[in-house]
Parts: sequence; structure tokens; C-alpha cells
Amino acid sequence: SQTIHQWPATLVQPVGSPLSLECTVEGTSNPNLYWYRQAAGRGLQLLFYSVGIGQISSEVPQNLSASRPQDRQFILSSKKLLLSDSGFYLCAWWGFGTSGRVEQFFGPGTRLTVL
Amino acid sequence: QKEVEQDPGPLSVPEGAIVSLNCTYSNSAFQYFMWYRQYSRKGPELLMYTYSSGNKEDGRFTAQVDKSSKYISLFIRDSQPSDSATYLCAMTTGNQFYFGTGTSLTVIP
Repeated sequence: SQTIHQWPATLVQPVGSPLSLECTVEGTSNPNLYWYRQAAGRGLQLLFYSVGIGQISSEVPQNLSASRPQDRQFILSSKKLLLSDSGFYLCAWWGFGTSGRVEQFFGPGTRLTVL
Repeated sequence: QKEVEQDPGPLSVPEGAIVSLNCTYSNSAFQYFMWYRQYSRKGPELLMYTYSSGNKEDGRFTAQVDKSSKYISLFIRDSQPSDSATYLCAMTTGNQFYFGTGTSLTVIP
């Protein structure tokens, strides 16, 4: 079965500091991977998605970037964090299981607070 | 206009009630329609999905899609306190997903 790992679970960073959040996936190959942000009281905002190594689609212009250096690794980064970057960051996998059913799994999330 | 609209609630019902959660959307190209449950401080969990129009039932949960009205619903029968969570709808044409803001549900014992 598929498993998504995210770390760290919580993070408190000062404004202007860099960021690196890592997501790794087990139990599947060539997954479609997604980074979402969920701000307090708001829905899930798609930040980036990737259909393969080195392939990144950006949905929202911002000071964040993403990279996919390996098939099962997806990284979210920032050179200088803003207060508005605070939120709950979720990595997700979406695809079809062996039975042909849609499957989607979310990682445990990283709660980022920028002070 | 947002791609997906969902009433944020909050919704509070007594145990055993039938709950109806709804979303509307604007993009007629959406093919998969999903419902997620999210407990506090956790990632969303896929509850059900429907491909194209129609109904789908899974235990106490029923998902309905009306593509002509661009309207989807999730019904929860015999609601339980453990159903208390935020429910998000989502839709996709393939690679990109569009989520509603979520409806907060509390089932009172």
C-alpha cells in the first residue's frame, strides 16, 4: 500500500528565513505528486503538482518553489519566508490502484508558523 | 467565479440525523468528484469518489453528482459523533484538483 511521509510535523520560522519541506512516497512508482497549503479557515490551495522527475507545474505565483529530484521525492522550498506563508502544508499522491480504483493519499502535513 | 463553491457551515446535527453536504462547480470538464473527511490537525482522507454523473453508496455514505446542474452532494445517514469533522469536496479533470473550502460538521450525542 502507498504511504506518504512528510517532515517536519511542525515548524516555526522567522520572516525572511529559508524553507525546505520534504515529501517521500512509498508503495508506488511514477506517482502524480501535489503540494497543497491549507490556511486557517480556508480550503486546500494547490501550490504545485508534478507528473514526473523534474516536471513541476506551478498553480499560484508566489515566493515558493518545488522540485522533484527523484521519482518518489517532492520538495517544497522558499528562499525567504513571508508571514503569509504560514499554514498547513500537505503533500498528496493521486492515481489509480491495482484494481483501477481512484486512490488518493495525503501525508500527515507540516504546520508552518512564520513569525 | 471560484471553480468550486462549498458552504463552510458550521453544521451541527443531533446523533442519528441525516446530513446533507453540497458543492457547486463551474467547470463542465470535471470528470472525477471526490469527498474527503478531515479531522482537526490531520490530512484529508478520501471518503468516496464518483466518475461522471450518478450516485454511489458506501455504507452510511451516499455521493450524488448532477452534471447538468453542476452540483454534487454527500449524504450521511444515521450520523455518529465520530462523523464530526470537516468535509471537503474536490473535482478534477485529470491532473489538477480543485477543492471546496470545507464544511465543518458536528454531530451531537
